[in-house]
Amino acid sequence: DTGVSQNPRHKITKRGQNVTFRCDPISEHNRLYWYRQTLGQGPEFLTYFQNEAQLEKSRLLSDRFSAERPKGSFSTLEIQRTEQGDSAMYLCASSSRTAIYGELFFGEGSRLTVL
Amino acid sequence: KQEVTQIPAALSVPEGENLVLNCSFTDSAIYNLQWFRQDPGKGLTSLLLIQSSQREQTSGRLNASLDKSSGRSTLYIAASQPGDSATYLCAVGGGGYQKVTFGIGTKLQVIP
Repeated sequence: DTGVSQNPRHKITKRGQNVTFRCDPISEHNRLYWYRQTLGQGPEFLTYFQNEAQLEKSRLLSDRFSAERPKGSFSTLEIQRTEQGDSAMYLCASSSRTAIYGELFFGEGSRLTVL
Repeated sequence: KQEVTQIPAALSVPEGENLVLNCSFTDSAIYNLQWFRQDPGKGLTSLLLIQSSQREQTSGRLNASLDKSSGRSTLYIAASQPGDSATYLCAVGGGGYQKVTFGIGTKLQVIP
């Protein structure tokens, strides 16, 4: 078990470009979450998947953001037409349906810098 | 809407001191409460998870307590070490899909 893996770890892009982040959860975990964290703040919920179904999206997730989990394994988070306000750490977490109390396991995050 | 507050925002203590970090939440209908540690520029490492039916959990030098009725949790760190320096985040789980709400954290510095 290698834990939750996120790639790339750091992405620097110019405003207006599209970026995609990937998350590989712990293999037996069916629940996957994306969070966004800005400097000095706690993580804010973006979206939640149970298997391949996206069950909840935050209002923070504007139309420029899209997330997928096509086969219920890895997930991608795409940001189109990036803006400087999108600069943040994007965190992925997973949890197991068999862990009754839903302990979350986080990856190392993907830091986005929009110039 | 659940709101999570952590006090103090920052704390500096000499090595060896015992310390308490506080977390309060507004909606007592929670599923669980989890304490995390975050090092600069890194992801979150789970420290302790307290189920809604429990009152405390212990792991090594860490002890977390939960008082659901008053909306409070504390993280007690015994005999602090410089390696404990990090930001400690409280996260409250609630809702059918276990939506988690975070506080902004307490930044701890342990001085050798």
